[in-house]
Amino acid sequence: DGGITQSPKYLFRKEGQNVTLSCEQNLNHDAMYWYRQDPGQGLRLIYYSQIVNDFQKGDIAEGYSVSREKKESFPLTVTSAQKNPTAFYLCASTQTGIRNTIYFGEGSWLTVV
Amino acid sequence: GQNIDQPTEMTATEGAIVQINCTYQTSGFNGLFWYQQHAGEAPTFLSYNVLDGLEEKGRFSSFLSRSKGYSYLLLKELQMKDSASYLCAVSDMDSNYQLIWGAGTKLIIKP
Repeated sequence: DGGITQSPKYLFRKEGQNVTLSCEQNLNHDAMYWYRQDPGQGLRLIYYSQIVNDFQKGDIAEGYSVSREKKESFPLTVTSAQKNPTAFYLCASTQTGIRNTIYFGEGSWLTVV
Repeated sequence: GQNIDQPTEMTATEGAIVQINCTYQTSGFNGLFWYQQHAGEAPTFLSYNVLDGLEEKGRFSSFLSRSKGYSYLLLKELQMKDSASYLCAVSDMDSNYQLIWGAGTKLIIKP
């Protein structure tokens, strides 16, 4: 089945640690996105990529990093510079074009311990 | 600037009808999306409007008025499983077709 796979579903991070969230899609979509969602809040864009080997900062990129070495993969690293990383992280993808319906992975819960 | 407004929370009764409004301000409007998000889960696509008028899909309908910068999602014959947050998002040409998201409306269904 085609879809977006995020892993892990739940992740605990110690203070000062970097952690990486995986996102893989087999929808052949060009564009991929990472969003952060805090409880009771909307989606905030962290990074997006519209083509391999290129990515752009979103509204809240500080403390995060990404790579796009393959079309299918868009991992997100939450660095120690991100002081309040506890949140629900959503990876998404879409085909570029006028009607860009966006599809989401199941999400990853990150908690700082 | 870009802005999307939706009510924070609404309550409705099982079997009834509810209308969730969304108003927006964007410079390069290219379509409006509605997504449903159950607690702790990812958003799922409900509807897309780019032309004025009503789009009906089963118990859910979505309306758009571009001149008023206004949309609504209409849910009929409400079921308990419809308890969720409903997110309004606008595609903006001037932002490279990025989606601008509203904060979502939490819908609570009571028996």
